[in-house]
Amino acid sequence: DPKIIQKPKYLVAVTGSEKILICEQYLGHNAMYWYRQSAKKPLEFMFSYSYQKLMDNQTASSRFQPQSSKKNHLDLQITALKPDDSATYFCASSQTGGRDAEQFFGPGTRLTVL
Amino acid sequence: QQQVRQSPQSLTVWEGGTTVLTCSYEDSTFNYFPWYQQFPGEGPALLISILSVSDKKEDGRFTTFFNKREKKLSLHIIDSQPGDSATYFCAASKGTGNTGKLIFGLGTTLQVQP
Repeated sequence: DPKIIQKPKYLVAVTGSEKILICEQYLGHNAMYWYRQSAKKPLEFMFSYSYQKLMDNQTASSRFQPQSSKKNHLDLQITALKPDDSATYFCASSQTGGRDAEQFFGPGTRLTVL
Repeated sequence: QQQVRQSPQSLTVWEGGTTVLTCSYEDSTFNYFPWYQQFPGEGPALLISILSVSDKKEDGRFTTFFNKREKKLSLHIIDSQPGDSATYFCAASKGTGNTGKLIFGLGTTLQVQP
């Protein structure tokens, strides 16, 4: 059974719209993360949460808002979508936050903005 | 400027051969270095990791070496198999004040020919 679930697998949106990417982890972890993977760019850290509290935000735009309704959930709301937001978004989790906590990644949501 | 650099960009080896992937970094405060393996359409999977207090870590056919003085690390895969064909990423994170942020390289795409 998948331990980190991301929904949907594929998402197509129009410019200016709003979407929510879902992430649930069943590893019993206390820290969760979002990363983005775009063509020709390295995997890029976006946010980290520990015990449902924001630890780090490396996203310049306020259009990206994580939402943690439960300990094992970290959704990502993206508003006013732009074509440049097209990427695969990965959720990850680790037992704890911090330096050498092993991070496990979900299968990703591939977002295309037209 | 890329904080974590990987080489080569792509590599082809014969089945049974040894694969060597390398990674370099600039920031001396990095002290945790995981390697991830990613197959098309999937999320990155943690392969092996090393802390800067060690110079070598082995796990089956996979060994990672760390050279603190030169700020370099490498991943060796012995007896390479076609199933090892994937993209490999090295990543790095800092010690103090760490929030779990991993900084990734661009990756090396490995093809193992039967």
